[in-house]
Amino acid sequence: NAGVMQNPRHLVRRRGQEARLRCSPMKGHSHVYWYRQLPEEGLKFMVYLQKENIIDESGMPKERFSAEFPKEGPSILRIQQVVRGDSAAYFCASSPPPLGNEQFFGPGTRLTVL
Amino acid sequence: GENVEQHPSTLSVQEGDSAVIKCTYSDSASNYFPWYKQELGKRPQLIIDIRSNVGEKKDQRIAVTLNKTAKHFSLHITETQPEDSAVYFCAASIEGNTPLVFGKGTRLSVIA
Repeated sequence: NAGVMQNPRHLVRRRGQEARLRCSPMKGHSHVYWYRQLPEEGLKFMVYLQKENIIDESGMPKERFSAEFPKEGPSILRIQQVVRGDSAAYFCASSPPPLGNEQFFGPGTRLTVL
Repeated sequence: GENVEQHPSTLSVQEGDSAVIKCTYSDSASNYFPWYKQELGKRPQLIIDIRSNVGEKKDQRIAVTLNKTAKHFSLHITETQPEDSAVYFCAASIEGNTPLVFGKGTRLSVIA
């Protein structure tokens, strides 16, 4: 049973470009969370999605950031017009239905904005 | 909203000694408390968790205690080994698929 998959593992973008981060949850898991981790800091919640629905986006900046989890395919975190402050590790986690609490993390995408 | 404080931020112990990391939380509605271990450049890995209906849980050398009245929980690692060296994060949430609120982490170094 494959774990949570994320790609790319490393992403370099210049200021003003777009970044697309993908997350495939564990098989059978229908809940996806995105977290951001700045160097030497803890993980900060960004957005929680179920298939085709955003459940909680309270941790995600209102501008430039968006997320989706379509019926088919991976969840995508999209950052438009990236700035240097967006440089961080972005982790997604998945948990099983119906009330699974355990969240299992992917390997992360390390975004560097030049 | 929930706020989780974690102490200490760094901890060095001799191999074979015990290590204790403490966390406090603010939201009395929180009832699920996991601990994650993160090695350098790797993903956070769930090592143990506890729910509010129990006060203690143990898994080999790792144990977690919870005091709901005082709103604090602790991770205990006994007989530490060099491979226990990592950053450990506590977290809290309300059971039922809600986001985790993490502490800032404790960097544990086990000296051989």
